[in-house]
Amino acid sequence: QVQLQESGPGLVKPSETLSLTCSVSGGSITSYNWSWIRQPPGKGLEWIGYSFYRGTTKYNPSLQSRVTISVDPSKNQFSLKVTSVTAADTARYYCARGMAGIIDYWGQGTLVTVSS
Amino acid sequence: EIVMTQTPATLSVSPGERATLSCRASQSVSSSLAWYQQRPGQAPRLLIYSTSNRATGIPVSFSGSGSGTEFTLTISSLQSEDFAVYYCQQYHNWPYTFGQGTKLEIK
Repeated sequence: QVQLQESGPGLVKPSETLSLTCSVSGGSITSYNWSWIRQPPGKGLEWIGYSFYRGTTKYNPSLQSRVTISVDPSKNQFSLKVTSVTAADTARYYCARGMAGIIDYWGQGTLVTVSS
Repeated sequence: EIVMTQTPATLSVSPGERATLSCRASQSVSSSLAWYQQRPGQAPRLLIYSTSNRATGIPVSFSGSGSGTEFTLTISSLQSEDFAVYYCQQYHNWPYTFGQGTKLEIK
């Protein structure tokens, strides 16, 4: 059974960089694509981007200038960085496994609050 | 960006009855449409992909239909665990986008 677990700071100051890591167990990260999706409190879902371990990385144009997703097959992990955060970046961040645009496994999510 | 619009925002249905949720795309997504269920405090769970294919372990009470820009998720006989928020998602064009959700509540 594939399991994903997010980790990282729950509080980030405005203008700083949000960094999260997703640890994958029960399957290899060298297959499928690996996504980050976020959900502001009480709101809907926004796909931030996805990456394959070797090759294509896609970012949502709304965030593209501030986002980096990278895959580390040696640790079976992938990561998210969002620079210059504001309060609008406060959300629950989910890491997820994707397959042709469909998410079949999700992490439990981690709440990140942007506040001074 | 393809905008997904779900109606209604909230649907009140009695247990044992049928629920029909709608999703409209701002342009054709062919059959590249998925549905997810999100229970309170949980991550979303894949229900349906490619418009009408049930994901592994999803009961036959869940069915999807439609094509192009109009899609429907039907739950044939509501159980207590089915009361949740449901999201549609298109994966025809990047960025992949979700609807704003339909909250299915107990009447």
